[in-house]
Amino acid sequence: DQQVKQNSPSLSVQEGRISILNCDYTNSMFDYFLWYKKYPAEGPTFLISISSIKDKNEDGRFTVFLNKSAKHLSLHIVPSQPGDSAVYFCAASDQSNTGKLIFGQGTTLQVKP
Amino acid sequence: GAGVSQTPSNKVTEKGKYVELRCDPISGHTALYWYRQSLGQGPEFLIYFQGTGAADDSGLPNDRFFAVRPEGSVSTLKIQRTERGDSAVYLCASSDRTGGSDTQYFGPGTRLTVL
Repeated sequence: DQQVKQNSPSLSVQEGRISILNCDYTNSMFDYFLWYKKYPAEGPTFLISISSIKDKNEDGRFTVFLNKSAKHLSLHIVPSQPGDSAVYFCAASDQSNTGKLIFGQGTTLQVKP
Repeated sequence: GAGVSQTPSNKVTEKGKYVELRCDPISGHTALYWYRQSLGQGPEFLIYFQGTGAADDSGLPNDRFFAVRPEGSVSTLKIQRTERGDSAVYLCASSDRTGGSDTQYFGPGTRLTVL
């Protein structure tokens, strides 16, 4: 039972354009959502998060949108840069519980110069 | 400041052997998590410590896996009688859960290979 799903295994965009990564979840108890970026042979690096009381959070080139009714979140990167090429994981947690993260399978983003 | 560190970075062992993986969390973080990541998958939760106690060990796959955090800082994940299926990257993360929003910061992982 995959509670967090990233249905696109890969995405390729041109430098300077917008990258949109999507994530769906099924557990309505999730109240905190995060995006991590992962380079080969490194641990996941925290990018941005959003609480369920918000529908948008922005940090520089990164914006996360949350649609609770659709149980969907997305990460927008604009403008995309070649250094953004990595695997992106979305994760969700129930903060009233242990806060353990449930991860999606990841989306590999390639930004072409 | 120093992030989460994990040692060793790589561990190769033979089937049936015992291994220990170490995690040093960010100083002052009371919460510590272990995850396991297999090829092509996202990390999967193993165990959560709040202070010295294991508050949730529901992700441990079987009784060959055990973890400790005796002084509420460093944690060791122990795997007995290793099997080839245990091969994966073992990730440790820590967080400060007092703030209400739990952002977990990950270490670089230990790549375990069981031959």
